[in-house]
Amino acid sequence: QKEVEQDPGPLSVPEGAIVSLNCTYSNSAFQYFMWYRQYSRKGPELLMYTYSSGNKEDGRFTAQVDKSSKYISLFIRDSQPSDSATYLCAMSAGIGTNAGKSTFGDGTTLTVKP
Amino acid sequence: DVKVTQSSRYLVKRTGEKVFLECVQDMDHENMFWYRQDPGLGLRLIYFSYDVKMKEKGDIPEGYSVSREKKERFSLILESASTNQTSMYLCASSPGARSYTFGSGTRLTVV
Repeated sequence: QKEVEQDPGPLSVPEGAIVSLNCTYSNSAFQYFMWYRQYSRKGPELLMYTYSSGNKEDGRFTAQVDKSSKYISLFIRDSQPSDSATYLCAMSAGIGTNAGKSTFGDGTTLTVKP
Repeated sequence: DVKVTQSSRYLVKRTGEKVFLECVQDMDHENMFWYRQDPGLGLRLIYFSYDVKMKEKGDIPEGYSVSREKKERFSLILESASTNQTSMYLCASSPGARSYTFGSGTRLTVV
């Protein structure tokens, strides 16, 4: 079983919809939780990161972490066609051996239709 | 802005060739990583490095080696390219646990 499982998608939504992207994980040592966005033929770019549990908001994006359930989510409000991309969750322990190494989900491809 | 530059966007190489993929970062990051990305398989870690001249195997190191002679440069070497190494290769760097900066990727085709 993989350490990080991501809802596979693909997702297709109309413009303006609220989008929920989700990952579960098994390693309780994970403390840092990241979301990356990857446009076609480009490298992933960091969208948001959260330390430990809680919510973090940045414009139309909200990241949620529930460590008790080992579950993280990214919500996109008022989705736009420019949000069409593959979204990758990633996690790291931040301490100990391999502290700087992240474990990635496989990605969810989102299409927002005008 | 941190920049991670990969030397080639597209490469076509022949089976058996020795292939060098170069990656340079400009923000003095300690950590550097090489991944390959294939449809349905996600990002798979090949090698990573926490410091100059240090390297650690990732999940799929077979058929690859790396070199980090200077802090800013991390090279991936395919000793004898094979068709199953056709893939998108992504280099990343990070100062710590929470954020990677990726390069734009090198799409390698081995024929």
